[in-house]
Parts: sequence; C-alpha cells; structure tokens
Amino acid sequence: GQNIDQPTEMTATEGAIVQINCTYQTSGFNGLFWYQQHAGEAPTFLSYNVLDGLEEKGRFSSFLSRSKGYSYLLLKELQMKDSASYLCAVNTGRRALTFGSGTRLQVQP
Amino acid sequence: KAGVTQTPRYLIKTRGQQVTLSCSPISGHRSVSWYQQTPGQGLQFLFEYFSETQRNKGNFPGRFSGRQFSNSRSEMNVSTLELGDSALYLCASSSGQGADGYTFGSGTRLTVV
Repeated sequence: GQNIDQPTEMTATEGAIVQINCTYQTSGFNGLFWYQQHAGEAPTFLSYNVLDGLEEKGRFSSFLSRSKGYSYLLLKELQMKDSASYLCAVNTGRRALTFGSGTRLQVQP
Repeated sequence: KAGVTQTPRYLIKTRGQQVTLSCSPISGHRSVSWYQQTPGQGLQFLFEYFSETQRNKGNFPGRFSGRQFSNSRSEMNVSTLELGDSALYLCASSSGQGADGYTFGSGTRLTVV
C-alpha cells in the first residue's frame, strides 16, 4: 500500500523558519512534490525532488532522502501569506500522485 | 501561458443526478489527471488520460468515468450522485517532464444535496 505521513498542524511566528516533515512508504518512487494550497484554492507547485539532497528556491527549500523515505520542506523568513496547507505528494511511477493529508501551517504575528 | 481551466467553478446537484465536469489543460500538455479532494480523505487520484487513452485509474467506483478529446481537453462524469460525492474536483495537466510538476486548475466545487 501507499502511506505518506505529515504533521496535521504547525504554528510558527512571522520572520521565523519552519520545517515540515514528510515520511513515505510507497510501492514505487519517481519523485516527490511539495504543493502549497490556500483555503478554497488550487494547490500550487513549490518543489520537486527526485535525487537525494537539498533543492533551494528562494525562501523555500526541500530535502529528500530516498533511503530513509523522508523529505522536508523548509520555509524561511515566514510571512503571514505563508499560512496555508502544505501537501507532500509522491509520484509512484504510475502517472499518479499519492498525497499526504497535508500540514496546515498557521503563521502568527 | 494560460493555466489549467476548469468549468464550472461551483455546482449543486441532487442525489441520483449525474454531472459532467470539464478541464482544459495547459497548451501543449497531453496528460490530464483528475483528483477528488475532501476534508476527510484529502486528495485522491481518480484517473489519468494521455492522447485520449485512460492510462491509470484510482480506486473509485464505476460511477466515476472520464474521457479525453483530441485537443487534450478532458471531461469527467459522475452518475447517480451520492451525498459523499460532495468534494472539490481538481484537474491537473502535465508535460510529462517530472520537474515541471503537475499544474492544477482551480477546481470544481460539487455539492450534492
């Protein structure tokens, strides 16, 4: 079966750094995606990792360890607009994404 | 470039009715996949189409079906609607290049009453 785990909720302070973890056990692996989703809106693409290591994109970084089935999304210099759900999704190689339940991040002033 | 367009944005239907949702992918993208999002189950894969062929199907009953046209536009149909079908239905288009990811449309919010 497919299993992707993320914390349900996190709270952080404006200007701080937050790390959202994702662990996965899937029957196949062809890359891991992170998406941001504001309430009532479509998920928007943040990052993609297919090889081990860190990918950096401005205030957002994502890390992958395939041997550990582990990824994290790092958000720096948090802003109020970063309050959203963050979705970890694995491409299991069958042209379908398997999503975690999402982590709802609340950024406080 | 234009994004993924889904119509309609909102829909209210009665139990037992059927519904058709539409998705126009990003120009040049030939892969279209559909997902259902509910508070309890999160985002779940429905099916994926490429060049008018369904290549993969998720674990949903046969009441959920879809098709893709030669211009890559896709439709999904749900027959004999149930209250539990109330959800946000998202369409994603992909170029097939992994790093580009899947670009999602704004979704159709279906409410079954």
